[in-house]
Amino acid sequence: GENVEQHPSTLSVQEGDSAVIKCTYSDSASNYFPWYKQELGKGPQLIIDIRSNVGEKKDQRIAVTLNKTAKHFSLHITETQPEDSAVYFCAARRLLLGKGGSEKLVFGKGTKLTVNP
Amino acid sequence: GAVVSQHPSRVICKSGTSVKIECRSLDFQATTMFWYRQFPKQSLMLMATSNEGSKATYEQGVEKDKFLINHASLTLSTLTVTSAHPEDSSFYICSVRLVTDTQYFGPGTRLTVL
Repeated sequence: GENVEQHPSTLSVQEGDSAVIKCTYSDSASNYFPWYKQELGKGPQLIIDIRSNVGEKKDQRIAVTLNKTAKHFSLHITETQPEDSAVYFCAARRLLLGKGGSEKLVFGKGTKLTVNP
Repeated sequence: GAVVSQHPSRVICKSGTSVKIECRSLDFQATTMFWYRQFPKQSLMLMATSNEGSKATYEQGVEKDKFLINHASLTLSTLTVTSAHPEDSSFYICSVRLVTDTQYFGPGTRLTVL
């Protein structure tokens, strides 16, 4: 089945620097790749997503890139701010054949980002 | 604004009692709802997938008689933890998938079983 690997598990940067989190997936049928930000005690918040027909997507300071050939995708945060500190999860959606076409997200293990003022 | 609401946000109960958690999709109609469980410093573990008017599909290892899921309408799903025990203490999060295939999560419910 699908497996999503996420690196690094922890990342510490200085305010204003860039942060990059990388994920790899195993199932070439995966076609949807969201990123979530989770603050302590809260539910995950969707911050950006990308579909397999697009190689890059940007939203202000956040960007995601997708390399389908290599089966990896990355989250880029520029000009980091202390409020960016959180745990970030990548995910990949796979099509579950034989279950009526139901699909589910497979998550990475998360990256704890700390932005130091 | 928020797409998904959950209630309650925190609940403390005695061992052996049942607890119901509500999940509502706001403003949009959800095609599918999901229930996750999250342990401290870990990733999200899918418990079950819920579609309106049909039985929930449980992930392997999740006891369907213990975690009862009801998806009564397009916008409401409930998770009932029956005969709760301390090991059921966890952070439970619901999620909705919209017609755009985008998936949003609720704010979560912290369950503590004494």
